[in-house]
Amino acid sequence: DAEITQSPRHKITETGRQVTLACHQTWNHNNMFWYRQDLGHGLRLIHYSYGVQDTNKGEVSDGYSVSRSNTEDLPLTLESAASSQTSVYFCASSPRPGEAFFGQGTRLTVV
Amino acid sequence: DQQVKQNSPSLSVQEGRISILNCDYTNSMFDYFLWYKKYPAEGPTFLISISSIKDKNEDGRFTVFLNKSAKHLSLHIVPSQPGDSAVYFCAASASDNDMRFGAGTRLTVKP
Repeated sequence: DAEITQSPRHKITETGRQVTLACHQTWNHNNMFWYRQDLGHGLRLIHYSYGVQDTNKGEVSDGYSVSRSNTEDLPLTLESAASSQTSVYFCASSPRPGEAFFGQGTRLTVV
Repeated sequence: DQQVKQNSPSLSVQEGRISILNCDYTNSMFDYFLWYKKYPAEGPTFLISISSIKDKNEDGRFTVFLNKSAKHLSLHIVPSQPGDSAVYFCAASASDNDMRFGAGTRLTVKP
């Protein structure tokens, strides 16, 4: 079955370190998204991509970057981790507007 | 600037009764509206959607109503079941598929 997977599921890192969260989907969807979930804010869009070599900033993109070298993967990089980036991160892929499928999330703790 | 708002952080209903979850939006460019359900430690799962050309969409126990003039949508669950207890997120996207989410409403269905 086609799916979307995130790794790692849990990560603890130190302030200032570079961290990369992986997202891999096997549906061959062009559209992929990264969100963070925080209490009181719901899901906020970090970055998104509509296809290979395409990346766009979302609502809360500062301190994050993404790259899209193939259809299946959209890794999210925290250039220099900060405590404010402690959150649960969700990746999603979408075949069309109005339909999206989420991964199980990565819980990141920055200490 | 939160473009999608869910003003009720929580809702509690009795099993068998109706649950009504509300959502407001500010961006008139949104043309797809979605509801996602989320259990703890899992990614959000798609529940039901509606496009801006409709005012109602029904799928089993779940019905979404859209009032474009008021920029308001609601999700009705009838009858509510204990397994419906979860966090429900409202989301909206324009035709470019950039989805924005509300803060979520935690629904508790009591037996």
